[in-house]
Amino acid sequence: DADVTQTPRNRITKTGKRIMLECSQTKGHDRMYWYRQDPGLGLRLIYYSFDVKDINKGEISDGYSVSRQAQAKFSLSLESAIPNQTALYFCATGTSGSVYEQFFGPGTRLTVL
Amino acid sequence: EDKVVQSPLSLVVHEGDTVTLNCSYEVTNFRSLLWYKQEKKAPTFLFMLTSSGIEKKSGRLSSILDKKELSSILNITATQTGDSAIYLCALPQGGSEKLVFGKGTKLTVNP
Repeated sequence: DADVTQTPRNRITKTGKRIMLECSQTKGHDRMYWYRQDPGLGLRLIYYSFDVKDINKGEISDGYSVSRQAQAKFSLSLESAIPNQTALYFCATGTSGSVYEQFFGPGTRLTVL
Repeated sequence: EDKVVQSPLSLVVHEGDTVTLNCSYEVTNFRSLLWYKQEKKAPTFLFMLTSSGIEKKSGRLSSILDKKELSSILNITATQTGDSAIYLCALPQGGSEKLVFGKGTKLTVNP
C-alpha cells in the first residue's frame, strides 16, 4: 500500500464548482504539504501544516483553503474553481526529524473547464 | 526573494552518455540543497547536500555542492532509458522548512 495517497487521481469540473482534494498518509509524519505543478513553472507550495493545529499559507494560497482533520489527513479545497487552477496537485509529508526530505503522493490531475 | 534556477530545461541524450545537470540558487540562510527525480508522477527524493556533506553518490548518480559558486551539479554516468525523468532541485526558503523548487530539467534518454 502506498504511504501517501490522494483522491481523486483525476477530476474534471466546471468553473464555479467547489472541489475537495484529499490526502492521507500512513507514514506517521507530522508535516503535510500541498503543491501544484504547472508546465514550465515547477512545484509551488499552496499550504502546509506542521501539526493538526498549525496551518500556514504557502506561496500561492489565494483561491484555496485547507483542513487538517487528523495527523494523517490533509485536504485541499477550491471554493469556486476557475480555469487557471487547472494543474497537477501533489500532497507531500515530512517529519521533524528530517524536515527537508519530503515524500510525495501520486498527484491529482485537476481540469477546470 | 529566494530563487532556484536549473539548466538546461531539457536534454536529450543516448544511452551510455554522461550528463550533468545544474542548479544555481539565491537563498538567505542556506541550510541544504535537495535533488528529486520525477518520473511519471510523484517526485522521489535522491540526495540532500549540506555544508557538512557537499558530495553524495548513489550508483551512477552523484551530486556536488559548490557553496562558493552557489550551485550544485547532478551527474549521471552511463545513462539508461530508465533515467528519463524530470530532475528537480529544491532548497529550504530562508530559515524555514518550506522548500522552493526550480523548474526542473527534463532528461530524455533514447536507446
